[in-house]
Amino acid sequence: GAVVSQHPSRVICKSGTSVKIECRSLDFQATTMFWYRQFPKQSLMLMATSNEGSKATYEQGVEKDKFLINHASLTLSTLTVTSAHPEDSSFYICSARASGTDTQYFGPGTRLTVL
Amino acid sequence: QQQVKQSPQSLIVQKGGISIINCAYENTAFDYFPWYQQFPGKGPALLIAIRPDVSEKKEGRFTISFNKSAKQFSLHIMDSQPGDSATYFCAAAGGTSYGKLTFGQGTILTVHP
Repeated sequence: GAVVSQHPSRVICKSGTSVKIECRSLDFQATTMFWYRQFPKQSLMLMATSNEGSKATYEQGVEKDKFLINHASLTLSTLTVTSAHPEDSSFYICSARASGTDTQYFGPGTRLTVL
Repeated sequence: QQQVKQSPQSLIVQKGGISIINCAYENTAFDYFPWYQQFPGKGPALLIAIRPDVSEKKEGRFTISFNKSAKQFSLHIMDSQPGDSATYFCAAAGGTSYGKLTFGQGTILTVHP
């Protein structure tokens, strides 16, 4: 299957700082990327959908000014958690999908801990 | 109408046995049904997926059975192995979801040696 990478895999930061997470599709062009967060022992919760070259679409209840998403190229999307607080601590996972397909390939996830 | 209900929440199977996980959906516009496997601390990995034009799809030890009239689909893991111990998620997409996946709640599978 196609490969999606995420960086960093784990980040610890102080409350009030901003954290950027990168999601890359390594061997295909991802016209659409999705960002999820997952709490322990729970399912994946979709945060936003980003299409290359356009603004992200956020799910209801997700603060777009807090979770900034950029999808500047067909292989890279970034999620920036601005002014992070302890309640933002979670497992963030991206997925990527090529044009004309339904299959989403997931990255390995990023564990964010905000102290 | 966008929900996908998954059961059981957890499942314990002996090595060599058959693991069966069920999902039900409400949105008749869904036309893509993947199953994902997730190990602790890792991202989900696509196992197998099916579309409504077939009732069954098999890939190795994994089989999806699909019942369009009942709006249900299930994952069967034959000859279950301890290495299959993971969390399994069903999902669905289609219609006006614009490719967004609606996930089930997940099933924690434990295969005892």
